Amino acid sequence: DAGITQSPRHKVTETGTPVTLRCHQTENHRYMYWYRQDPGHGLRLIHYSYGVKDTDKGEVSDGYSVSRSKTEDFLLTLESATSSQTSVYFCAISEDGTGAGYTFGSGTRLTVV
Amino acid sequence: KQEVTQIPAALSVPEGENLVLNCSFTDSAIYNLQWFRQDPGKGLTSLLLIQSSQREQTSGRLNASLDKSSGRSTLYIAASQPGDSATYLCAVRPLTSGTYKYIFGTGTRLKVLA
Repeated sequence: DAGITQSPRHKVTETGTPVTLRCHQTENHRYMYWYRQDPGHGLRLIHYSYGVKDTDKGEVSDGYSVSRSKTEDFLLTLESATSSQTSVYFCAISEDGTGAGYTFGSGTRLTVV
Repeated sequence: KQEVTQIPAALSVPEGENLVLNCSFTDSAIYNLQWFRQDPGKGLTSLLLIQSSQREQTSGRLNASLDKSSGRSTLYIAASQPGDSATYLCAVRPLTSGTYKYIFGTGTRLKVLA
């Protein structure tokens, strides 16, 4: 997707290991978000950022941490991966907090075995 | 707690048909509502954004309406094409959430048959 890339696209990891997913944007948008998508649950917000070093929790933040040291990068870390964190993770960006220009990355499929 | 429901979960129609996708939400206190499209293995693409003060938005063959008081939105697709096959999700931004998050429905998976 134009202006926003996620890496890796696919990852398989073992239970108990730390995992970091990266979201990189070239749009200079202030707001960045991490969602997870699971069958039957839709997309749920994990964490979001409203500026460099400014982050806050979403509705399913337990077991996850984030960091944003630069405008363009937003990292999601699973501190100790569990099977319940097997999911597709999406990063999104927006110009402001209203929802205008909401753009999603292509997702990272994470499998925890 | 805001909940967003989309019915049906899946829909299959012949090409050329006009169709309506439904979205309902439990709390009318919303800032805005967006409709997204998701293709298999891809991220979401925003189709239409309706502010709470608006009744509808149009883009090409797509028209989205919003009835905030009844907690309903519809996405109308005119003259459907096979390329419209995708999952359509609606999402509301709660007015009182205090965050910049959206609450998503689980989507309607649309298949348009050639």
